[in-house]
Amino acid sequence: GQSLEQPSEVTAVEGAIVQINCTYQTSGFYGLSWYQQHDGGAPTFLSYNGLDGLEETGRFSSFLSRSDSYGYLLLQELQMKDSASYFCAPTGYQKVTFGTGTKLQVIP
Amino acid sequence: EAQVTQNPRYLITVTGKKLTVTCSQNMNHEYMSWYRQDPGLGLRQIYYSMNVEVTDKGDVPEGYKVSRKEKRNFPLILESPSPNQTSLYFCASSYGLMNTEAFFGQGTRLTVV
Repeated sequence: GQSLEQPSEVTAVEGAIVQINCTYQTSGFYGLSWYQQHDGGAPTFLSYNGLDGLEETGRFSSFLSRSDSYGYLLLQELQMKDSASYFCAPTGYQKVTFGTGTKLQVIP
Repeated sequence: EAQVTQNPRYLITVTGKKLTVTCSQNMNHEYMSWYRQDPGLGLRQIYYSMNVEVTDKGDVPEGYKVSRKEKRNFPLILESPSPNQTSLYFCASSYGLMNTEAFFGQGTRLTVV
């Protein structure tokens, strides 16, 4: 089975950097994806790590360490519009499990 | 435009009245799935399909049915809805079976009274 843990809430200041962690316990792990969901909206894909290390996509970066069963999403130069929930999801499985999500609140 | 389309967006129904939520994707994706989202519980998978005529249970399949007669469509059927199925539902599709990038529909907010 799959088990994922994320912090439930994070608050950060506009313009700052925030890191959202995801720890997992899975077997047959392939990679880790991240999604963003604004209140009332649908999840949208942000980033994917198929290999260990850092993947950068504009202001967003994602990191994976298989040896530590750990990944994180890094958001730089935070903007108010980044206030949303963020989910991690391991990939490569027929059945999909999402983390319970981290609600990020960006304050002025 | 690549998209996943769900209908309806909002639905209020009564206990026991059969309903179907439609889902269609135009990306020729093999993998499709249904999720429900409830406060504090995140996204939980109901059913998934790896291709036409291939479906299987997710984590919370009780009370739901699905079918995959065509590659693009994956309807969710509630034969006898109950109030505990009041939730926000999402359909999603992805290319291949690795699920590295899922595309989600706009969501269906269902209320069963």
